[in-house]
Amino acid sequence: QSALTQPASVSGSPGQSITISCTGTSSDVGGYNYVSWYQQHPGKAPKLMIYEVSNRPSGVSNRFSGSKSGNTASLTISGLQAEDEADYYCSSYTSSSTLGVFGGGTKLTVL
Amino acid sequence: EVQLVESGGGLVKPGGSLRLSCAASGFTFSSYSMNWVRQAPGKGLEWVSSISSSSSYIYYADSVKGRFTISRDNAKNSLYLQMNSLRAEDTAVYYCAREVVPAAMDYWGQGTLVTVSS
Repeated sequence: QSALTQPASVSGSPGQSITISCTGTSSDVGGYNYVSWYQQHPGKAPKLMIYEVSNRPSGVSNRFSGSKSGNTASLTISGLQAEDEADYYCSSYTSSSTLGVFGGGTKLTVL
Repeated sequence: EVQLVESGGGLVKPGGSLRLSCAASGFTFSSYSMNWVRQAPGKGLEWVSSISSSSSYIYYADSVKGRFTISRDNAKNSLYLQMNSLRAEDTAVYYCAREVVPAAMDYWGQGTLVTVSS
């Protein structure tokens, strides 16, 4: 069982906005601003989309945004595009382990 | 351009050993913590091991502790993962990744597949 809880799947139509949640505890998501989000297309390596809750690496579209409230972090994708269809993983620093923790992943389907 | 290239994966019998390598280029390797992350077929991501820039801090997932050893050679810009006593459940694609801040890995290799089977 993953340390962080994500919905197994979400879907949306092109142009819409969707939000993926990532629920942890006060020992990880809620306690630190070290939450990241990764996008992974089939057969490819993960790509960092958001770090430190809401920061976007250079080159990542501003359609991707991150936030946090309490023990739950969220990734919002606005103006959905077909190319956004992928698996998304959250991760967080945790005081409960010497390594970070990942969520179980969310499959985004663009209808 | 930052590049991470893994090698060393393959088919190994249960109880066997493999050594993975990750060749880094395009950045000052000695300035960054590095990680190994794996992904079993059809499954999610799992943090395997982490090593600080000067090798002062080394961490392992409970699932590999005592069997895997992470190391690095900053002079050769290389990261390694020695895997011993391999089990079927170690079957996965293994990625090396550069850590930019805690829990954030901004560059990943293409991955190398390790298959543990008799």
